[in-house]
Amino acid sequence: GIQVEQSPPDLILQEGANSTLRCNFSDSVNNLQWFHQNPWGQLINLFYIPSGTKQNGRLSATTVATERYSLLYISSSQTTDSGVYFCAVERWSSNTGKLIFGQGTTLQVKP
Amino acid sequence: NAGVTQTPKFRILKIGQSMTLQCTQDMNHNYMYWYRQDPGMGLKLIYYSVGAGITDKGEVPNGYNVSRSTTEDFPLRLELAAPSQTSVYFCASSSPQVAYEQYFGPGTRLTVT
Repeated sequence: GIQVEQSPPDLILQEGANSTLRCNFSDSVNNLQWFHQNPWGQLINLFYIPSGTKQNGRLSATTVATERYSLLYISSSQTTDSGVYFCAVERWSSNTGKLIFGQGTTLQVKP
Repeated sequence: NAGVTQTPKFRILKIGQSMTLQCTQDMNHNYMYWYRQDPGMGLKLIYYSVGAGITDKGEVPNGYNVSRSTTEDFPLRLELAAPSQTSVYFCASSSPQVAYEQYFGPGTRLTVT
């Protein structure tokens, strides 16, 4: 099956710093989503981005489907950005929204 | 809209007991999913449904059953609970009309002892 690898596994930032999280996947996909799991466990959808670039406030994401990777950028980080960031993909031949999740990047933003 | 709701929030089961985790969504989404998340890990798909009356297995279906009699509800049944089923369970929903963006419930933390 399709493999999803996220890096780095852990990241510690000072408030105000910028960061880039990476997601590599092993096969063609028709669906890629980024999620944030806050310290209380709630999962929030950040982006649906199977290709191209999107921005939402301080967050932006880019997926280069032909090279099988996606990047999540966090600018001017805040303590509320802490938590785990997951990348999840659906392989090209599936059309059911069945997502395969990576292991996540745990981000800690210190004040 | 309440979005995706799950009950209960927490539950402790003894080995061999059974229980049903409830999931309801009010967004009229056709697609619904059950995931489990073990400590320090990503989510793994247990079962999914593309509409009322249609369900299929995900990556880790053993020990679980589902049904989908209505668009809104997608309960997950655990039969003969085992310690390996200790996990946090998340329900999610999506729709092709919104590009399968998945919306998650708050989760159920289950401990089997």
